[in-house]
Formats: sequence, C-alpha cells, structure tokens
Amino acid sequence: ETGVTQTPRHLVMGMTNKKSLKCEQHLGHNAMYWYKQSAKKPLELMFVYNFKEQTENNSVPSRFSPECPNSSHLFLHLHTLQPEDSALYLCASSQMAPGEQYFGPGTRLTVT
Amino acid sequence: GENVEQHPSTLSVQEGDSAVIKCTYSDSASNYFPWYKQELGKGPQLIIDIRSNVGEKKDQRIAVTLNKTAKHFSLHITETQPEDSAVYFCAASMGSNDYKLSFGAGTTVTVRA
Repeated sequence: ETGVTQTPRHLVMGMTNKKSLKCEQHLGHNAMYWYKQSAKKPLELMFVYNFKEQTENNSVPSRFSPECPNSSHLFLHLHTLQPEDSALYLCASSQMAPGEQYFGPGTRLTVT
Repeated sequence: GENVEQHPSTLSVQEGDSAVIKCTYSDSASNYFPWYKQELGKGPQLIIDIRSNVGEKKDQRIAVTLNKTAKHFSLHITETQPEDSAVYFCAASMGSNDYKLSFGAGTTVTVRA
C-alpha cells in the first residue's frame, strides 16, 4: 500500500461514453500526476498539478480532461475516447522536493 | 526534452546471480535518477534513487551507479531471488525539475529458481 488509491481498477467503455477516473493520496503531498502506460512503452506523463494548479499538460488530446479540486484528489474525465486510448492509467503524488513519486495501482482502461 | 534509453528489455538470471540494467539519458541538466519496480497488477514502486552529486548508492542487495560525464546510470541487483522478478523502470528528471520525470521503456527481469 503506497498511500495512493485509484478507482475504478478496471473500466470498459464505448467510444461515445463519458467516465471519470479518481485518484486520492493520503500522504500530504503537494503535487499529483497522471501517467499513461501502454505495453512495451515508457510511461507517458500526461498532466501535473502542483498545489491544485495545473503546471503541465503534455500535449494531451482534449478528450482527456483533468480536475484537481484539492491537493489530495485528482480526477481524469474521459469522453469520446478512441481504441488507442486503451492503457493503464497511473496516478502518482510527490512533494515538490526531493521528488520521490508514489504511484497508485492504476486503472486498466479498455475502449471498445 | 529528456530521452531515456533502457537496456536490456528482458533479462533472465539464475537465482543467486546478479542482474544489471543500464540506462542512458540525454539532458545534461538532469539531476535526479530514480528506479522503480512494477509487479503484476500494481503500480511502479520506488526502490532506490540517486542524485547527481553522488556516484553510487547502495541499499542492501540493490545499488545504483551514476556516470554524469557519460550520462548513464545502472541498477545492480545482487543475490537475486524469485521475488525480484518484475519490470524495472529507470527515470531521469527533465532538466533540473525533480518532479517531472522521463522514463525508460522498462526491463522485464525473470529470476529462475
């Protein structure tokens, strides 16, 4: 248990659906992240929030919409996804320094 | 941006032997290099990290070395055990920003009993 929880753990959705992924951290960290993990590829940083402010949007398509209502919670809203968006979506948190990121277990997303 | 290359992509070792994974990075301003272990069905877990002001760090059976001049760093696991079987990822900070990491593609390590 890393102190970062994600729900749901598995999600199957059609291309016309709207769904949301949730992340919660219990570590008192100030920064939260969304990553995409596809098979045999490096983790791709999607979004970074620092003190609830978005500080990074790594050229992510607008069909992914993040929300950070407070420093403990992070959401990823999904709409009109494509099959190639199927992947493991990981949430992480850290302090600004020393930079150790703690990951949640991920949400396995399948777009049909 | 930072580009991290990781080799090998798969590694099979006999229990008790050592395992070595190597990574190279491109941004000379990078100053933080963590290693993560990911087991099946779980998120990556930090196992060891090193900063640019040291050349080597050790924690029990695992050690990391850093060569800033050559821009490469390595993970060494000694006396491997079956529970060391997992996917290992190296990462490097994007420039001097600790909190933004660029990851390698991962190494699948299998320890044969």
